[in-house]
This record gives sequence, C-alpha cells and structure tokens, in this order.
Amino acid sequence: GAGVSQSPSNKVTEKGKDVELRCDPISGHTALYWYRQSLGQGLEFLIYFQGNSAPDKSGLPSDRFSAERTGGSVSTLTIQRTQQEDSAVYLCASSLGLAGSETQYFGPGTRLLVL
Amino acid sequence: SQQGEEDPQALSIQEGENATMNCSYKTSINNLQWYRQNSGRGLVHLILIRSNEREKHSGRLRVTLDTSKKSSSLLITASRAADTASYFCATNLRSQGGKLIFGQGTELSVKP
Repeated sequence: GAGVSQSPSNKVTEKGKDVELRCDPISGHTALYWYRQSLGQGLEFLIYFQGNSAPDKSGLPSDRFSAERTGGSVSTLTIQRTQQEDSAVYLCASSLGLAGSETQYFGPGTRLLVL
Repeated sequence: SQQGEEDPQALSIQEGENATMNCSYKTSINNLQWYRQNSGRGLVHLILIRSNEREKHSGRLRVTLDTSKKSSSLLITASRAADTASYFCATNLRSQGGKLIFGQGTELSVKP
C-alpha cells in the first residue's frame, strides 16, 4: 500500500517568508510525527500527534513553528518568518498504534532551503 | 548529550564481509529501532526491538539488545554494495512518550 507522502519535495524560500509543509500519513495510522535533519543537529524530534490527544510540541525550536493535523489524517507544519537556520530536511512519520510503541514509517522528506 | 551514541561513526568494508554497528543509550527504553538512510532522504525502517527482547533477525540483519549495558548492535552479514548507507539507531524512552531520539549514525561503505 501507499507509504507516507510529503510535499513539496523541495522548497526554496527567502528569509522572512512563511512556508507550509504537508504530510499524508499511511491510512489508518493514528500517530503522526515530525522530525528535521540538519548537518549540525542530526535528526531532531519536533512534534507528534496521537489520535485526539493534545500534541506533544516539546521539540519545536521556537514559536515560529506550528503544526496541525486535520481530521486525524493530513498534517501541515508551518514555519513563519523563516530564518536561514531553518534550512533542513523535514521528515514526517506515522505509526499504527500508541505513539512510540510501534514502528515509525518515514516519508521521503521535504528539503527546505532558506536564502 | 545524545541519548543514542553510535560507534563507529564510519565503517568501510569489502563486499561479503560482515558489518557490525553499535548503539549505546543512557536511560530506560520502551524499544529501540534501527533505520537506514540513503542520500540524506527518507529513512527506511529495519528492525524494532522491545526492551524485553534480546535478539531479532530479519534476513541478513541481526539486532541484539543488552538492557543491562544499555546497548544494541546491528549486524549485517554477507554485505553487498547496495548496503552502503547511513544507519541510525533510535530509542523510544519510557519517560518521553512517542518521540524517537536518534543517534548520529554510522556511515557504512561496502566496496565491490
């Protein structure tokens, strides 16, 4: 079946602009996660959603970052007033059951470059 | 500091040889997952091992977990050039809900 999909694949933006990154999880998966990968910081957790529970936002680096998950499916990660240090690959993952207890399946990522 | 620390950072071997990568962590885990990444894009899941398990196999892959030493190893037997990639361990901690904490990864190069 279809895996996790993300769009766009690549995004180039100017410093100060807002960007939206989209994630379509595997159908039926109740948990959805966002991570980012950059040269200096490795793979970092950003946020996860588990069913209808309040999301765990503990990894968001600043209040410029926000995410929502509509209808328990698609998620959008929004970065406002982008900075050059936001340049990274943003990875989305989903899992079938209780967050953390099951395999997390990753999408191909969105490569963000802030000029 | 990183929850998962991997060793070695880079490994270069010949095709047919075995590759062993190690991961150490600091606090109690629910499970530990190994991933492969090619060319800095999507992560491919390899094996999940739970805290009450000691060994798991999948094809040419063997993962062990020693909770007393807080360490795990990934063994790739009879390596192939196509195994060239970065390998990451990721821990799900009892105290941290659903998030995975990733190590810095091991870069494996398999020469034909």
